[in-house]
Amino acid sequence: KQEVTQIPAALSVPEGENLVLNCSFTDSAIYNLQWFRQDPGKGLTSLLLIQSSQREQTSGRLNASLDKSSGRSTLYIAASQPGDSATYLCAVKGETSGSRLTFGEGTQLTVNP
Amino acid sequence: KAGVTQTPRYLIKTRGQQVTLSCSPISGHRSVSWYQQTPGQGLQFLFEYFSETQRNKGNFPGRFSGRQFSNSRSEMNVSTLELGDSALYLCASSLQGPAGELFFGEGSRLTVL
Repeated sequence: KQEVTQIPAALSVPEGENLVLNCSFTDSAIYNLQWFRQDPGKGLTSLLLIQSSQREQTSGRLNASLDKSSGRSTLYIAASQPGDSATYLCAVKGETSGSRLTFGEGTQLTVNP
Repeated sequence: KAGVTQTPRYLIKTRGQQVTLSCSPISGHRSVSWYQQTPGQGLQFLFEYFSETQRNKGNFPGRFSGRQFSNSRSEMNVSTLELGDSALYLCASSLQGPAGELFFGEGSRLTVL
């Protein structure tokens, strides 16, 4: 059974700092990994999708990497801003699970002005 | 291009009642998945539909059911509501294929009293 773990559970940083969020998964047989952002009481916003054959994806100040063999992914946020404050969720799609995503518990990020 | 639309956004029910939630996927997306999000259990997969057929089902009791219509719109139904069914119910749509990116709606917040 796939399990996804995110560390840390919560993170508070001053504005402008670069930061890294970690995600690990137990079964490396995945199609892809997706990072999401969730604001309080809202749905999920897709940030980055990394296919299993890729090593990293970039969008603006965000960069996500994937090491499938070791079951790890990182989300790097450069020059953090207060508007980045949200919960960040990592999810993997297994090779035998159709479109089903297995989610981590999330990292709650607070960026202080 | 419109995103995933879920209705209603908020609803309050009492124990024993039933509820129906609706999801309209992104135009052209034929796969629709449903997830339940609670503070204690996080995000859990309910079921996935593709071309009006249930392709995958999570570990939820039979009180939780769903269907998909020919226009890809989907509904989920929860019968005999329990207090523990209070949650944010999220719908996601994607293009056909396992490598597809999932896009989520804003969710339906269900409170059971």
